[in-house]
Amino acid sequence: SQKIEQNSEALNIQEGKTATLTCNYTNYSPAYLQWYRQDPGRGPVFLLLIRENEKEKRKERLKVTFDTTLKQSLFHITASQPADSATYLCALEDYGGSQGNLIFGKGTKLSVKP
Amino acid sequence: EAGVAQSPRYKIIEKRQSVAFWCNPISGHATLYWYQQILGQGPKLLIQFQNNGVVDDSQLPKDRFSAERLKGVDSTLKIQPAKLEDSAVYLCASSLEAGGDWDEQYFGPGTRLTVT
Repeated sequence: SQKIEQNSEALNIQEGKTATLTCNYTNYSPAYLQWYRQDPGRGPVFLLLIRENEKEKRKERLKVTFDTTLKQSLFHITASQPADSATYLCALEDYGGSQGNLIFGKGTKLSVKP
Repeated sequence: EAGVAQSPRYKIIEKRQSVAFWCNPISGHATLYWYQQILGQGPKLLIQFQNNGVVDDSQLPKDRFSAERLKGVDSTLKIQPAKLEDSAVYLCASSLEAGGDWDEQYFGPGTRLTVT
């Protein structure tokens, strides 16, 4: 069955540095991968989608890469700010499910210290 | 544009009691999802509706969980009887069903259920 792993439960970095979060998956070749942000007490918010034929996607200070050979996606936040502190989730389409069904990783809790 | 609404925000019940959660999706969104998020985990899909029909309920524990979306708009998720392991945040999400190969899902704030 599909398996998705976010290697770090928590990541602490200093303001201004680049945060890099990792998402690995197995037993699957997804057509796309998504990243979400979740703040305490709130639902996830969609950030970026990257397709299997895209190596890199950018949105403002966010950058996502997708390596289908390594079965890995990296999520970067450049010039990080304390307001970026949140849990970041990666998600894949559920291969065995209906269109739109997502399988989420456990998330990485990012803390940016001033 | 109003977001996905959920109520109540918090609920505490004893095991073997029943509980119901309500969700009102974004206006015009055909697809509605219910997720369960246990502390420290990512959301897990319980059931997906398209309009008022069930598309996928393969991960819904049907012996105790039920959900309906009678008029293709708002939805109710029920647990009866509740178990301790049902303690979690129940998230509702909706998407437009624009016809492409994926649709952005918009999540509500969730209902935090504690079963004692």
